[in-house]
This record gives sequence, C-alpha cells and structure tokens, in this order.
Amino acid sequence: GDSVTQMEGPVTLSEEAFLTINCTYTATGYPSLFWYVQYPGEGLQLLLKATKADDKGSNKGFEATYRKETTSFHLEKGSVQVSDSAVYFCAWFSSGSARQLTFGSGTQLTVLP
Amino acid sequence: EAQVTQNPRYLITVTGKKLTVTCSQNMNHEYMSWYRQDPGLGLRQIYYSMNVEVTDKGDVPEGYKVSRKEKRNFPLILESPSPNQTSLYFCASSFGEGDTQYFGPGTRLTVL
Repeated sequence: GDSVTQMEGPVTLSEEAFLTINCTYTATGYPSLFWYVQYPGEGLQLLLKATKADDKGSNKGFEATYRKETTSFHLEKGSVQVSDSAVYFCAWFSSGSARQLTFGSGTQLTVLP
Repeated sequence: EAQVTQNPRYLITVTGKKLTVTCSQNMNHEYMSWYRQDPGLGLRQIYYSMNVEVTDKGDVPEGYKVSRKEKRNFPLILESPSPNQTSLYFCASSFGEGDTQYFGPGTRLTVL
C-alpha cells in the first residue's frame, strides 16, 4: 500500500556537519511531498515542500529535491546548527484514493556544539 | 496572530471517563484534522473534516468521535477512554486537504 519510509534515528552530529535524512515514498499518482519539523515541546511546522517532479524545496538552509525516478525526497543541510536539533518528519499527500497526509516515523536530530 | 489552539495541553484521566479536547483555528481554514503521535509510529490521522458538518475517518478512528458544527472548531471526543489511547494528540488545519497544515501545540493525554 501507499507509505513513506524515513531514515531511522536518532542522528547525532557536531555543529557545522553535513546532514542528510533519507525519505522514500510508495504512492500511486504524483504526490505532493513535505518535510515538517517538530521542535521540543511544540507542534509540527512546515519546513519545505515540493509539488511536482524535479521541484526543489528550500528553507532555513535546508533543501530537498523531488526525485520521481527514485521516489525520494531526501532532506539536506550543508552546515547544521545546535538550533536545528528537532524531530524531522517526511510526509506526502496524494490526490488519489488515500487523500490524506501520510507521515513517516520521524527522525530525531541532535546537534552538539 | 494566526494559530491553532488546543485545550487542555495536559490531561490525566481514568478509564471510562468521557473527555473532550478542544481545537480552534482563526485562519478561516476549511480542512481540519486530528492526529495522534506515538513513539516510532509518526503521526497517524484519527479523523478529518473537509468543511462544516463534513467529517470522515482517518487511519485510527476507533474510540474517538468528532464534530464540526462551526468552521473554526473541531473538538475530539473520547466517550470511554482506555489506556491504549494514552498519546500525544495534535489538531491541524489547512485551506484544503493537500495544502500546508498548521498544527496546534499538542495535548498530552494519559489514561490510567
């Protein structure tokens, strides 16, 4: 069935390290893809999104490219900061039969000074 | 300030005691949704509403009820809570079902 598979965590990095969090999806049609971030004690908030193949979403130094050929939407950042410590969720929405936002299991990121 | 509010933020209750978690948004969004978040499972949708008086089941609706009598409010009702409903609950809203969703701060529920 339709699903999203996200890189297992937790991930611990030193400040200024390069970050990649993998996300792949299995869906019929052409879903919209999202990355949401959850800071400690808060609700989720949109980090970036892409609505069609080859689109690149970007925000706060984070980037992700919608790769239809590999059904992936990996999150990257060139130089992480302590303030990036949070839980990151990949999600997709398809206008097909499911018609709901489906989330991955989340990846806990801790950035050490 | 555009926001989604939830109340209460924390709740400890006992099995079988009916409770309601309120959710309200001030962005004139048509779409509203409830999720529960459990470790290792991400967020799972409980119920959603496309508009006033229109609600539908998500992935895990058992044991929950919702209503949408007004556009801004979407309460979550647990008629007879059980310990397996101990979880972190989030309300969210958006203009449409595929648009960016705005989340409330969460309600941490413990059922003893």
